[in-house]
Amino acid sequence: RKEVEQDPGPFNVPEGATVAFNCTYSNSASQSFFWYRQDCRKEPKLLMSVYSSGNEDGRFTAQLNRASQYISLLIRDSKLSDSATYLCVVSNQAGTALIFGKGTTLSVSS
Amino acid sequence: ETGVTQTPRHLVMGMTNKKSLKCEQHLGHNAMYWYKQSAKKPLELMFVYSLEERVENNSVPSRFSPECPNSSHLFLHLHTLQPEDSALYLCASSQDLAGTGPSPLHFGNGTRLTVT
Repeated sequence: RKEVEQDPGPFNVPEGATVAFNCTYSNSASQSFFWYRQDCRKEPKLLMSVYSSGNEDGRFTAQLNRASQYISLLIRDSKLSDSATYLCVVSNQAGTALIFGKGTTLSVSS
Repeated sequence: ETGVTQTPRHLVMGMTNKKSLKCEQHLGHNAMYWYKQSAKKPLELMFVYSLEERVENNSVPSRFSPECPNSSHLFLHLHTLQPEDSALYLCASSQDLAGTGPSPLHFGNGTRLTVT
């Protein structure tokens, strides 16, 4: 099983749509969870941390299910500027670094 | 944002060359990292340094040699690379080791390396 698995997509949605991305991870001892965003030919940038109780940042909501080793990201009212690749990120077994999924590509059209 | 700066942005080198990638962070962070990103593959962790000590070497070939002279600078020395080493090399830093708590990574712009 891969350490971090994501559906690569692409997800093609119209402006204003709600879209959800899912991610599973293999290391039950992982303690840190994040979503990053990466634009084409750019470096990844932190979108939001993911907490056990779930958390929201504007149009973005992240959920963590430790029992199922599952993380989700919900984007409401999609904007054209949300078009990017969304990376699910989980801490490694040693607790020394972060492991990245391959990413899910989102394309929002007008 | 210029918190983490990488040079050069682009590098083309032959298989017999020796070159170095440089990373500098201005965030006062204690941990620094090298990641490799190849087309259609996830970011691969290469090296981790915490307070200038290497804490992880992720089975990286010896033709890649890291150096961390102080907590603000990180180098990746390259020699006798192969064409399959062509990729985007990303440097990152974090306040503390990224897996120990809510300590996200801050990335530089990356060096796009082409080995001919």
